Amino acid sequence: AQTIHQWPVAEIKAVGSPLSLGCTIKGKSSPNLYWYWQATGGTLQQLFYSITVGQVESVVQLNLSASRPKDDQFILSTEKLLLSHSGFYLCAWSRQGGDTQYFGPGTRLLVL
Amino acid sequence: AQSVDQPDAHVTLSEGASLELRCSYSYSAAPYLFWYVQYPGQSLQFLLKYITGDTVVKGTKGFEAEFRKSNSSFNLKKSPAHWSDSAKYFCALESGGSNYKLTFGKGTLLTVTP
Repeated sequence: AQTIHQWPVAEIKAVGSPLSLGCTIKGKSSPNLYWYWQATGGTLQQLFYSITVGQVESVVQLNLSASRPKDDQFILSTEKLLLSHSGFYLCAWSRQGGDTQYFGPGTRLLVL
Repeated sequence: AQSVDQPDAHVTLSEGASLELRCSYSYSAAPYLFWYVQYPGQSLQFLLKYITGDTVVKGTKGFEAEFRKSNSSFNLKKSPAHWSDSAKYFCALESGGSNYKLTFGKGTLLTVTP
């Protein structure tokens, strides 16, 4: 069975500080990986997707970047946090395009 | 462009009643449609999907959804509703194939009173 893990569980950060969020999937080789952002009480916005190691596509610009250094790892980062970055960050995986996306437990971020 | 509309921000009903959460979409070709549920403080859980074939699809937790091409809808249904169904429900659309963009509606917060 596939498992998806995100770290950290939660973060409180200062405006202007850097951020790195991680996502790891086990039990599936060469998954498609995705990052989503959800404002409190809001809908989900897809941020990035990756279909292979080293390749990441941006869906929306939010002053964030993503990388896929390993087949099972997806990293979301920024050098300078904004207040608007606060929210719930979710990583997801799928077997291929058009297939069901399965979500990780998420990371809650509060920027002060 | 693709979009998903969930016109009801909040639905309240009594336990034992039938529930139907509305979802409409806009997309020029055949869509892939999904429903997810989010319990308070948690991530999203997959309920069901429509790709092609039978227009009524069954999912987990006793839910089903009906795809209606005529009015571009994909409504979620369950009967009877249970208090444990209280959660936020999201409808989503993917254009399929090599397009990896999943577009979500704003969600419907369902409250089932005991």
